[in-house]
This record gives sequence, structure tokens and C-alpha cells, in this order.
Amino acid sequence: DSGVTQTPKHLITATGQRVTLRCSPRSGDLSVYWYQQSLDQGLQFLIQYYNGEERAKGNILERFSAQQFPDLHSELNLSSLELGDSALYFCASSARAEAEAFFGQGTRLTVV
Amino acid sequence: GDSVTQMEGPVTLSEEAFLTINCTYTATGYPSLFWYVQYPGEGLQLLLKATKADDKGSNKGFEATYRKETTSFHLEKGSVQVSDSAVYFCALQNFKRGSQGNLIFGKGTKLSVKP
Repeated sequence: DSGVTQTPKHLITATGQRVTLRCSPRSGDLSVYWYQQSLDQGLQFLIQYYNGEERAKGNILERFSAQQFPDLHSELNLSSLELGDSALYFCASSARAEAEAFFGQGTRLTVV
Repeated sequence: GDSVTQMEGPVTLSEEAFLTINCTYTATGYPSLFWYVQYPGEGLQLLLKATKADDKGSNKGFEATYRKETTSFHLEKGSVQVSDSAVYFCALQNFKRGSQGNLIFGKGTKLSVKP
């Protein structure tokens, strides 16, 4: 158990809908990363937050957004969902921005 | 930009066989290098890491050496077990100025070990 908790584990939704994925980092970790794992793109970095502030952005679509709350948990919001958004979404946390990252078990999103 | 290339799978081996999964990288500066493992239905787990040239990371019988001259970080294990069946990802993290510091992954290599 990495100490990073992601909910829900599975999510099935229709095209055009909006969903929110939640991540609780390890106790005390200030940095949260979101990654997308899909068959065609592999593991792609989406976005990083550090202590509530956006620190880095990767290949995140404009339809996607994220935030980190004062209690350090993070949410990834995916809107206007398309079939191609079906993927496994991972959250990772680390104590500092450059420290080792620990991954959650992921949320498997299926868009139908 | 920075990138990681690892050998395509799947790799199928018999128990107790020798394993090598090749990984090469492209990066400026001195990135840290990692191997992550993903067991079926689970998240990513850090298997081993190396933070500077000539460092050897090791864990659970797996080893990898950071070779700056060949920009490689090949994963090896002398005798694989059925329980090693998983997908293995090579990754780098670059902390140099101007880098985002996130992990950059290879596409993964699926290993199946037969009894």
C-alpha cells in the first residue's frame, strides 16, 4: 500500500458527461501529480500541484482541469468526455516537488 | 525534449531464466532513472532507482546500472519467478533548470513468466 488513495476505482460514463476523480496523497506529501495511462499514448503526465498551487503542466487537454485543496487532496475534473478519454488515471504524491513519487492504484474511466 | 525508449514486449520466459529489458534515454543534464512495475490490476510501484552515473539500483533480485556513456538503464534479473509477471516501465526525472520535474515513462514491457 503506497498510502495514496484514489476514488473511485472504476467509473463508467457516457460521452459528453463530466466526472471528477479524487486523490488523497500520502500523509504530509505536498506535491500531487496526475498521469493518464492509455493503450495508444502510454503513461502521460497531465499536471502537478504543489501545496495548493499549480506547478507544472503536461499534455492536459483544455477540457480537463485539476485543483489541490487546503487539506492537500486533489481532484481531476474531466468534461465533455469523448470515447478517447477512456484510460487509467493515476495520481502520485511526493514529499517535495523533486522527491520520489508514490502512486495510487488508479481510476479506470470508461466512456461509452 | 527528454524521452525514454524501452524494448517492445511482450517478453515470455520460463521460470529461472535470465531477464534483460533494455532501456535508453535522451535527456540533457543528469536525470534520475527509475524502473516501475505494474502488477495486474494494480498501480505503479517503484522497483529501483539510480540518481547518478554508475549508480546501481537493486531490489528483489532486480538490478539496473546508470550508464551515462551509453545513456542506458537496462533492467536485469538472474532468475525470474512466475510472480515477476507484470508490466515494467523505465522512467526518468529531470531536475535541471527549466525542466518540469515530472516522470517521463517508456511505453512499458509486459513480462510473462511460465512455470
